[in-house]
Amino acid sequence: AQKVTQAQTEISVVEKEDVTLDCVYETRDTTYYLFWYKQPPSGELVFLIRRNSFDEQNEISGRYSWNFQKSTSSFNFTITASQVVDSAVYFCALSEANNNDMRFGAGTRLTVKP
Amino acid sequence: GAGVSQTPSNKVTEKGKYVELRCDPISGHTALYWYRQSLGQGPEFLIYFQGTGAADDSGLPNDRFFAVRPEGSVSTLKIQRTERGDSAVYLCASSLIGSWDTGELFFGEGSRLTVL
Repeated sequence: AQKVTQAQTEISVVEKEDVTLDCVYETRDTTYYLFWYKQPPSGELVFLIRRNSFDEQNEISGRYSWNFQKSTSSFNFTITASQVVDSAVYFCALSEANNNDMRFGAGTRLTVKP
Repeated sequence: GAGVSQTPSNKVTEKGKYVELRCDPISGHTALYWYRQSLGQGPEFLIYFQGTGAADDSGLPNDRFFAVRPEGSVSTLKIQRTERGDSAVYLCASSLIGSWDTGELFFGEGSRLTVL
């Protein structure tokens, strides 16, 4: 079965610092999908990005960027010039093709201090 | 509303009681998912509906848990003979088609269940 590991339980940075959230995954499938979700204090999970296993191109969206490396089974997330509003729990998730069980990591709690 | 709506937002019950949690997905979304999130953990898959049918209920922990979606829209998660270990936030999500290739799930804010 697929597995997602987010080794960093909590990270604290000062505003404007860059921060990288790590995600390592395990799967036996060749076709799979990787996701990042943000969970602010309100509790509602907010979709950030989806990547399929055939697309290793890194992506940048504003201050957010993602580094997908199949060689190391990692899908890391970097926030550049962090802001207080970035404070939340961030989840990495993996779903194998034809499998409805999207497997989440345990999450990384990011605190950005002013 | 525009998003996924879950009720109640908070439910406190006593051990052994029966509980129902409701999810109203985004209009037109055929796929509906239930997840359970314990404190400090990521969401854990429970069940997936495509339309009215439970396409995958492999995540339900035991036969005390049951979910329905009779008209292909609103879904109810039912928990019988609740136990303290059932305490968690129950999250509902919907998506337009249900294929991972189409992307994201839209999550509700969850129903926090506390079993005393």
